[in-house]
Amino acid sequence: DAGVTQSPTHLIKTRGQQVTLRCSPKSGHDTVSWYQQALGQGPQFIFQYYEEEERQRGNFPDRFSGHQFPNYSSELNVNALLLGDSALYLCASTETSRASYEQYFGPGTRLTVT
Amino acid sequence: QKEVEQNSGPLSVPEGAIASLNCTYSDRGSQSFFWYRQYSGKSPELIMFIYSNGDKEDGRFTAQLNKASQYVSLLIRDSQPSDSATYLCAVRVASGYALNFGKGTSLLVTP
Repeated sequence: DAGVTQSPTHLIKTRGQQVTLRCSPKSGHDTVSWYQQALGQGPQFIFQYYEEEERQRGNFPDRFSGHQFPNYSSELNVNALLLGDSALYLCASTETSRASYEQYFGPGTRLTVT
Repeated sequence: QKEVEQNSGPLSVPEGAIASLNCTYSDRGSQSFFWYRQYSGKSPELIMFIYSNGDKEDGRFTAQLNKASQYVSLLIRDSQPSDSATYLCAVRVASGYALNFGKGTSLLVTP
């Protein structure tokens, strides 16, 4: 049973560029959330996708956008990168029908903006 | 006001002892509570979740929830050096689906 997968593992970009991160959820999961984790901090919620739509969004600017595909996989796009966007980007998946609603994280993508 | 608060530590306990990790939250309507373990350079790993008042046990781990006091804790019995990690408390918001995380407590189990 494959867990949550993310690609790429590491990424180095220049300020002002755009980046796309990818996530495949755990088998049987239909909901994907994205989080940003800065060094020494807990993960911060960016947004969640369910049924190919953004269901909830955290306090992040419009430079952060996403997409969910019919197979439940998801992308996170960040435009006009800033130095402060350097962080670990985590994808988490869950099965919306479960009352416990536990979320499982992928290995993350480490983004460095120079 | 920070929504989920944890003592950053480090919390140091000797091998074989009980480690007690604590978390408070501000949203009284919060529904579900989670503990994640995160090793340095790795992603968070779910170890426990609880949504009813009281205790929930799973192996060496016990989660405790007190909604009246807005307090959730994690006990690790017979602590091992491999338990040394950062423990993140997460709370599902009352109004939606996001998890709000604390900054985490660093646990060091010394041989």
